[in-house]
Amino acid sequence: NAGVTQTPKFQVLKTGQSMTLQCAQDMNHNSMYWYRQDPGMGLRLIYYSASEGTTDKGEVPNGYNVSRLNKREFSLRLESAAPSQTSVYFCASRRTANTEAFFGQGTRLTVV
Amino acid sequence: KNQVEQSPQSLIILEGKNCTLQCNYTVSPFSNLRWYKQDTGRGPVSLTIMTFSENTKSNGRYTATLDADTKQSSLHITASQLSDSASYICVVSGGTSYGKLTFGQGTILTVHP
Repeated sequence: NAGVTQTPKFQVLKTGQSMTLQCAQDMNHNSMYWYRQDPGMGLRLIYYSASEGTTDKGEVPNGYNVSRLNKREFSLRLESAAPSQTSVYFCASRRTANTEAFFGQGTRLTVV
Repeated sequence: KNQVEQSPQSLIILEGKNCTLQCNYTVSPFSNLRWYKQDTGRGPVSLTIMTFSENTKSNGRYTATLDADTKQSSLHITASQLSDSASYICVVSGGTSYGKLTFGQGTILTVHP
């Protein structure tokens, strides 16, 4: 059972470079989320997709864009990476609002 | 402001001992509260879920409590094992249309032999 799969697991970028983090879930969940986790802080919501075809901003959306490609896939794009975006990024999915969230293994991103 | 505060920030115990982790929240409206376990380098995994009407719930050696009046929850770990070493995160789900999750900063538990 794959659950939520994120790629890549590790990435180093230079300031100004762009990249896309990929996320796919095989649980037929409607909602998908992107979070970032920084030391000493709780996970913070970047963007979410309540259902296929919709996306909305979370708490910290600046510098990011997302695409809900289909029901399974939700990607996060950094157009011009900045050192402040150094973080661990987690994708999550839920069947519906208020049900259990399932998380991917995370992507550790370093921007130098 | 919706917040989830956990204590202690970190805890070291010996294998076989018990421990209790605390969570206070100010999230409103409230839908449910979950405790997640996050192993180093992995994503969080749900341990228990508590809804408004539930006071206590067990999952093996893990027992969660909820006092909805005081907005406090605890996670009690019995007979700790080395594999219990992880970060434990309290997560409150609100009653918004997308079920907003508010995360605590986590308690880092280290179990020594």
